[in-house]
Amino acid sequence: QKEVEQDPGPLSVPEGAIVSLNCTYSNSAFQYFMWYRQYSRKGPELLMYTYSSGNKEDGRFTAQVDKSSKYISLFIRDSQPSDSATYLCAMSLSSGYALNFGKGTSLLVTP
Amino acid sequence: DVKVTQSSRYLVKRTGEKVFLECVQDMDHENMFWYRQDPGLGLRLIYFSYDVKMKEKGDIPEGYSVSREKKERFSLILESASTNQTSMYLCASSSTGTGAGANVLTFGAGSRLTVL
Repeated sequence: QKEVEQDPGPLSVPEGAIVSLNCTYSNSAFQYFMWYRQYSRKGPELLMYTYSSGNKEDGRFTAQVDKSSKYISLFIRDSQPSDSATYLCAMSLSSGYALNFGKGTSLLVTP
Repeated sequence: DVKVTQSSRYLVKRTGEKVFLECVQDMDHENMFWYRQDPGLGLRLIYFSYDVKMKEKGDIPEGYSVSREKKERFSLILESASTNQTSMYLCASSSTGTGAGANVLTFGAGSRLTVL
């Protein structure tokens, strides 16, 4: 079983829709949770960062961590064509450990 | 603006050639990483380094080596390139410590290598 599972999509939604992206994981010791966004032919860039459980909101983006279910989510409100990208979840045990990445979900927001 | 710079964006090499991929970061980060990214396989860790002259194998180190002679520079070396090493290579760095920002990776733009 992979430590981090993420549906690769592709996911296609109309502009303005609410998007939900999800990852599940198997290692209950993960403490740091991140979402990266990667545009075509570019490197991933950090979008959201959460330590331990709970929610975090930044503009149109909300990250949720449910450690009891080993499940993390990224919500995008009022999605825009510029949100079209691949979204990668990532997590790690603690400081100093390498990140474990999901394979990424490809999102297309159509005008 | 903080940066991780990968010197070559696109390279085409022949089978058996020695290939150097260079990465430089200007954030004084202790940790540096090399990943490769392939469709359907996601990001896979090749090597990482927590300090100068220090290296650790990642998940797929075979066919690769690394060098970190200075804190800001981390090089990936393909001693004898093969076609199955055609891929997107991503360098990243992070700082050591706890609290907000711990383990956050800053990535370079990537180096797309084609081996013929």
